[in-house]
Amino acid sequence: NAGVTQTPKFQVLKTGQSMTLQCAQDMNHEYMSWYRQDPGMGLRLIHYSVGAGITDQGEVPNGYNVSRSTTEDFPLRLLSAAPSQTSVYFCASSYSRTAYNSPLHFGNGTRLTVT
Amino acid sequence: AQSVTQLDSQVPVFEEAPVELRCNYSSSVSVYLFWYVQYPNQGLQLLLKYLSGSTLVKGINGFEAEFNKSQTSFHLRKPSVHISDTAEYFCAVSLIIQGAQKLVFGQGTRLTINP
Repeated sequence: NAGVTQTPKFQVLKTGQSMTLQCAQDMNHEYMSWYRQDPGMGLRLIHYSVGAGITDQGEVPNGYNVSRSTTEDFPLRLLSAAPSQTSVYFCASSYSRTAYNSPLHFGNGTRLTVT
Repeated sequence: AQSVTQLDSQVPVFEEAPVELRCNYSSSVSVYLFWYVQYPNQGLQLLLKYLSGSTLVKGINGFEAEFNKSQTSFHLRKPSVHISDTAEYFCAVSLIIQGAQKLVFGQGTRLTINP
């Protein structure tokens, strides 16, 4: 049981480059989300999805795009990387968007550096 | 508005000593509270959760937390820590906003266990 899989684990980009962070889950979870983790700031929600074809913005969506064409996959796209996007990115999923007692399952993260 | 404050960014303790990691929240509505743990180079995992009922909640690895509504706190405790408890701990509040679950995380507390 793989759970939530994120690729790549590490990435270095130059300012202005674009890239896609991949996230896949094999638990048939309805809800998927992306967080960024920065020192002293905890985790902040970037975008989330409550099902295939449905996405919405979180706290810090600027500079990022998402799509949800299948239940399993939820890629995060950086359109034009900036040094402020240097961070550790986590994908997380849960089985229901409305079940408040549904814990989030996290991937192991992608460490992104933008120079 | 909803926020979570973890009062200590770092907590060093000796092995087999008790520990308390503090968390306060602000909310005008009923809340669901969580503690997550992040071991080095890994994603977050659920430690315990409070939904309703008994204010003392027991989690994995011998941790417990007490919900105190009057003090708006949800402190995490363990009577005797081990080296393996070295990790970062995040308090979080769950809200249902526009039909979707959103977790608001605290800034994190890094627990370091000294032999």
